[in-house]
Amino acid sequence: GAVVSQHPSRVICKSGTSVKIECRSLDFQATTMFWYRQFPKQSLMLMATSNEGSKATYEQGVEKDKFLINHASLTLSTLTVTSAHPEDSSFYICSAKGTTTNYGYTFGSGTRLTVV
Amino acid sequence: QKEVEQNSGPLSVPEGAIASLNCTYSDRVSQSFFWYRQYSGKSPELIMSIYSNGDKEDGRFTAQLNKASQYVSLLIRDSQPSDSATYLCAVRGQAGTALIFGKGTTLSVSS
Repeated sequence: GAVVSQHPSRVICKSGTSVKIECRSLDFQATTMFWYRQFPKQSLMLMATSNEGSKATYEQGVEKDKFLINHASLTLSTLTVTSAHPEDSSFYICSAKGTTTNYGYTFGSGTRLTVV
Repeated sequence: QKEVEQNSGPLSVPEGAIASLNCTYSDRVSQSFFWYRQYSGKSPELIMSIYSNGDKEDGRFTAQLNKASQYVSLLIRDSQPSDSATYLCAVRGQAGTALIFGKGTTLSVSS
C-alpha cells in the first residue's frame, strides 16, 4: 500500500533556530502534499497545500515566510519552520495524494516539534 | 468557512456495546467523507470512507451518510478496549482537495 515516511518523528530545538521536516512517498508519486498542524486536544488544522513544482498555497493566518514548503519532486516535500518560537511547538503531519489515490490520502507518521 | 463539528466527548461505553459517533458539516457541496482513528501522539489512520447516502459496513464498523441533513455517523459494534481512541471525522469537497477535520470524539471502552 501507499506509504509516506516522515522524519524526524521528534525534534527539540532552541528558540530562533530553524527545523526541517521531510515527507517522502515511498511507493507512489505524491502530486499533492497537504501539511497539517495539531495542537494538544485539537483537530488537525490545514496549514498549506503544495503541488509538485509549484508554490504552496497557504491557509489564512499561516505565515508563508515562517513555514517554508518545498515540493520539488514527486517523492519529497519538506516543511521548514524558520525562527521557531515556543508557540510553534506542535504535532506536524503531512498527507499525500498520488496520481491514482483519489480517495483517502496517505498520512505521514507525524513530527512532534518542541521549541525551548 | 467550511466547518466539521463533532461532540468532543468523552464517550464511554462498556466492552461489547455499540459506540455511536456523530458528525455534521457545513459545506453542502462536500462529496467525500472519512472516519479516522487517532491514538495519542500518533498520526490518524483511516477507518472508513463513504461517498453516497446510506450505510456502508466494514467488519464491526458502519458509516452512515445523510447529505440532506449534512450528517455522518460511525457505529462501532462489539466495542473493544483497543477501540479507545479519538475518532476524527473528515470531509472533502472536490477530489484532490484537502480534508477538513472535526475536533474529534474521544471514545473510552471499559472492560
